[in-house]
Amino acid sequence: DGGITQSPKYLFRKEGQNVTLSCEQNLNHDAMYWYRQDPGQGLRLIYYSQIVNDFQKGDIAEGYSVSREKKESFPLTVTSAQKNPTAFYLCASSIMENTEAFFGQGTRLTVV
Amino acid sequence: AQSVTQPDIHITVSEGASLELRCNYSYGATPYLFWYVQSPGQGLQLLLKYFSGDTLVQGIKGFEAEFKRSQSSFNLRKPSVHWSDAAEYFCAVGYSSASKIIFGSGTRLSIRP
Repeated sequence: DGGITQSPKYLFRKEGQNVTLSCEQNLNHDAMYWYRQDPGQGLRLIYYSQIVNDFQKGDIAEGYSVSREKKESFPLTVTSAQKNPTAFYLCASSIMENTEAFFGQGTRLTVV
Repeated sequence: AQSVTQPDIHITVSEGASLELRCNYSYGATPYLFWYVQSPGQGLQLLLKYFSGDTLVQGIKGFEAEFKRSQSSFNLRKPSVHWSDAAEYFCAVGYSSASKIIFGSGTRLSIRP
C-alpha cells in the first residue's frame, strides 16, 4: 500500500532535549511538508522540500530543522530552541508543489 | 498576503440536515482549492479539489463544493449529514505563484442526533 508513515504516533521528551520525528513516503512524490497543528490554529507550515537535498523554511521554522537526503524521507528535528514544542505534527507529500497533499497520521509530541 | 478564511469555528447540525461550510480566500491568480477532513488524532483526508473547469466539484462521502471566483469562495456542501461526518474540516488554497498550500483554521462539525 502506498502512503505516508509517521513514527512514532506518540512521543514524550524532557524539556531541553532534541527529538526527531520520522516521515517516510512510498508514493514517489517530489514535494514533502511538515506542519504543526495546535488547537484552534489550523495547520502552520514548518518546512517544505520540493526536491532531494533542498528545503525551504515555512512560516514557523524557528527551533526546527530538517533534512532531505532521500526522496522517501523527510525527518523533522525539534530542537531545544523551540519554545513551545508540545503539539501535533503532520507530515505530507505531493507529486509537485501546489497539488493535493497526502498526509500521514501525525505524531503527538509532549514535552514535559 | 495570501490567506484562507473559514469564518465558522464550530457548527452543529442535526443528523439528516443539510450542511454548508464556508471558505474564502484572498485574491490570487489560478487558485487551486481543496477541502480536507480530519478525525480526532488523525491525519487529513482529501475530500475534493478544484483546479479548473466545472466550478461545481464532487468529492468523496457525498460532499460537493462550488468555486465562485466573484466571491473568492469555495464552500463545501452536503445535502444530508450523517453522524459519521462529525470531524474538523479544512479548506486549503494553492497558488501557482507560491510553493506551498495555505490552510484555513478549520471548522469543527458536530452532529446533533
